[in-house]
Amino acid sequence: KQEVTQIPAALSVPEGENLVLNCSFTDSAIYNLQWFRQDPGKGLTSLLLIQSSQREQTSGRLNASLDKSSGRSTLYIAASQPGDSATYLCAVSTGSARQLTFGSGTQLTVLP
Amino acid sequence: DGGITQSPKYLFRKEGQNVTLSCEQNLNHDAMYWYRQDPGQGLRLIYYSHIVNDFQKGDIAEGYSVSREKKESFPLTVTSAQKNPTAFYLCASSIQGIGNEQFFGPGTRLTVL
Repeated sequence: KQEVTQIPAALSVPEGENLVLNCSFTDSAIYNLQWFRQDPGKGLTSLLLIQSSQREQTSGRLNASLDKSSGRSTLYIAASQPGDSATYLCAVSTGSARQLTFGSGTQLTVLP
Repeated sequence: DGGITQSPKYLFRKEGQNVTLSCEQNLNHDAMYWYRQDPGQGLRLIYYSHIVNDFQKGDIAEGYSVSREKKESFPLTVTSAQKNPTAFYLCASSIQGIGNEQFFGPGTRLTVL
């Protein structure tokens, strides 16, 4: 059974810092990996989607990498801003139904 | 505007009652999903549907039921058999095939009184 782990569970950084969020998964037979952002009491916003054949994806200040063989992904946020404060969730797509298995998230606080 | 809508935003239920959560999408997506989120936890899959009139159980389907009579709609019923229904419920949709990025609605918070 696929398991997804996100470390750290919470992270607090001063504004302007570059930071890395980690995601690991136990079964490397994935179709893709998605990073999401969730604000308190809200739904999920898709940030980046990495196909299993890709190594990384970039969108603005965000860069996500995927190492499928080792079961790891990282989300790099450059020049963090207070508006980046949210919970970041990682999810992998597996199985014939391509269902998503989620990690528990990293709660990020960027201090002004 | 294209997107996924969920209603109501907040729902209160007495023990023993069934309630139905609405999910509608106008993205012309074939696949739709229901997830449950508990505090401090990731999302868990309840049910999914890849085509009209067909749906499959996810990891935690007990106490829930769904229907998929129209492509745009995938309502979720929380029955009285669900022992701990208080949670945040999220609906998602995606196109079919490889690379099926999932898009989420704003969620419904269900509280059992």
